Amino acid sequence: AQSVTQLDSHVSVSEGTPVLLRCNYSSSYSPSLFWYVQHPNKGLQLLLKYTSAATLVKGINGFEAEFKKSETSFHLTKPSAHMSDAAEYFCVVSDRPGRRALTFGSGTRLQVQP
Amino acid sequence: EAQVTQNPRYLITVTGKKLTVTCSQNMNHEYMSWYRQDPGLGLRQIYYSMNVEVTDKGDVPEGYKVSRKEKRNFPLILESPSPNQTSLYFCASSFRGESSYEQYFGPGTRLTVT
Repeated sequence: AQSVTQLDSHVSVSEGTPVLLRCNYSSSYSPSLFWYVQHPNKGLQLLLKYTSAATLVKGINGFEAEFKKSETSFHLTKPSAHMSDAAEYFCVVSDRPGRRALTFGSGTRLQVQP
Repeated sequence: EAQVTQNPRYLITVTGKKLTVTCSQNMNHEYMSWYRQDPGLGLRQIYYSMNVEVTDKGDVPEGYKVSRKEKRNFPLILESPSPNQTSLYFCASSFRGESSYEQYFGPGTRLTVT
């Protein structure tokens, strides 16, 4: 069975400082891993994805994530936060061939202080 | 523009009154899925469809029905809504052959059952 744990429900940073959103996963197969972002009253947008190629994945808006199999982690980082980064972020795993289900973490709300 | 559309975006209804939430995609995707989003739980899969006339249960199918008569449409049916189905619903789609399992999400439908 697959599962995702987002270690922080809320993260608050100051504009211009680094962002770290933590995610651990559990999977019986070789997983695909994603980070999605949801801005207030908006749908879900894909930030980046890992699919067994390079372990360091670059996404949109300056975000990146590193797949660490030994630690079963897929943490999301950004060197310098912007006010527009304030949103909810979901770490997602998919490893069930055929069913294609995405298993979502419970989400991390990122606040960016001016 | 490639997109997934859902209607209605907002719906308030009463217990027991049948309703349908429509979902349509214009990307010729084989795979479509419904999720519900509840605070602190992330998104959970309700039903999915691998192709026309092929549907199966997700993690939380109780109280819901779906149909897939055309490739582009995947309506979600609540035959007798109850207050515990008050939630934010998302439709998603992807290519069946896409090994990365990346899914494209609609804007969401906020349903309130009183």
